[in-house]
This record gives sequence, C-alpha cells and structure tokens, in this order.
Amino acid sequence: SQTIHQWPATLVQPVGSPLSLECTVEGTSNPNLYWYRQAAGRGLQLLFYSVGIGQISSEVPQNLSASRPQDRQFILSSKKLLLSDSGFYLCACRQGYHEQYFGPGTRLTVT
Amino acid sequence: AQSVAQPEDQVNVAEGNPLTVKCTYSVSGNPYLFWYVQYPNRGLQFLLKYITGDNLVKGSYGFEAEFNKSQTSFHLKKPSALVSDSALYFCAVRDRSTGKLIFGQGTTLQVKP
Repeated sequence: SQTIHQWPATLVQPVGSPLSLECTVEGTSNPNLYWYRQAAGRGLQLLFYSVGIGQISSEVPQNLSASRPQDRQFILSSKKLLLSDSGFYLCACRQGYHEQYFGPGTRLTVT
Repeated sequence: AQSVAQPEDQVNVAEGNPLTVKCTYSVSGNPYLFWYVQYPNRGLQFLLKYITGDNLVKGSYGFEAEFNKSQTSFHLKKPSALVSDSALYFCAVRDRSTGKLIFGQGTTLQVKP
C-alpha cells in the first residue's frame, strides 16, 4: 500500500516570504496526486491535482502554484505568502478507481 | 452539479450507545461514496467506501455505512461508540468524469464517557 510523506510538518512564515511544501509518495506508480487546504479545521478545498509528471490542474485561482517534477513528488509553492494562505495543507494520492489516501499534513501559519 | 451534504455540524453520543453521522448526496448516475475520519492535526484516514454491491458496507474500526439510493443517503453508523471515536468525519462522493472527490463540510463526533 502507498505511503505519503509531507514536509515540513509545521511552518511559520512571514507575509511576503516564499513557500515550498513537498509531498512524496511510496509504494505506487503513476498515481493521481492532489493538494488540499483545510481552513479552521473544517472543509477541504481542492487546490491542485495532477495526473502525471508536469501535468497540473488548478482548481482555484490564487497565490499558490504546484509542480510535479517526478512521478511521486508533488510540490506546492508560493512566491509571496499572504495571511490568507494560513491553513492545514494535505497531499493525497489515488491510483485507479480506488479511494484517495492522505498524507499527515503541513500546518502553515503566516504571520 | 454533484454535491454532498452533512446536515449536522456536531453529533454527541454517550459511550456505548449507537451512533449515526448523516450524509446525503446529489450526483448524476450511480455514486461512488466514501467516509473519512480526521483526528486533530492529522491527515484524513479512509474508513469505507461504496462502489457497488451490498447496500451495507463495513469498514475500519467497527464502522459501517448504509447506502440508500431512494433517499440518496450514505449514513455512517457504529453499534457502540467509543470515546476514541471522537473526531471529525467527512463524507465524499467521487465525480465520475474527473475522478475528484467532493467532500461534505464535516461532522464533529463527540463521544462522552
């Protein structure tokens, strides 16, 4: 079964600073990968998804971008963070018609 | 448009009592339905899914869910709640054209000793 790693676990960054969150997946190949944001411990907002290397679909126009440089690596970035970027960021993986599996998440606080 | 509704923000039950967390959906065609649980500051954990077959689906940690096509519901149930079941529960439906999951807003389950 697949294992999803996210790095870092927590992050405190000032407004205007850059961001890079990393997600790596083990135990599967050619998965669909997803970035979600969860604000205030409630609903999940899908930010980006990828069906393959270099293929990124954006769900919501915003201050963030995503890249998939390798089959099992998915990166979430920003050039300049906003206060509203604070939240809990979750990476997820799906292969075939099965359920999505989620990583442990990164707690981002923008100050 | 496809959607999922969890009508209760919070459900409170006493330990040992049965619990139900409600979910209704709106999709075109046959739905793929999922339940996830999230503990504080953790990722979502998959509990169970309905794809096809028996309407009663059994999952992890003693949870089960009943698919009801006529009522477009997929309620999560457990015969006897534990304090450790206290968490945030999400229902989701899979968009069959895109493969994306559409999540409900979540229901906080509080099990009191």
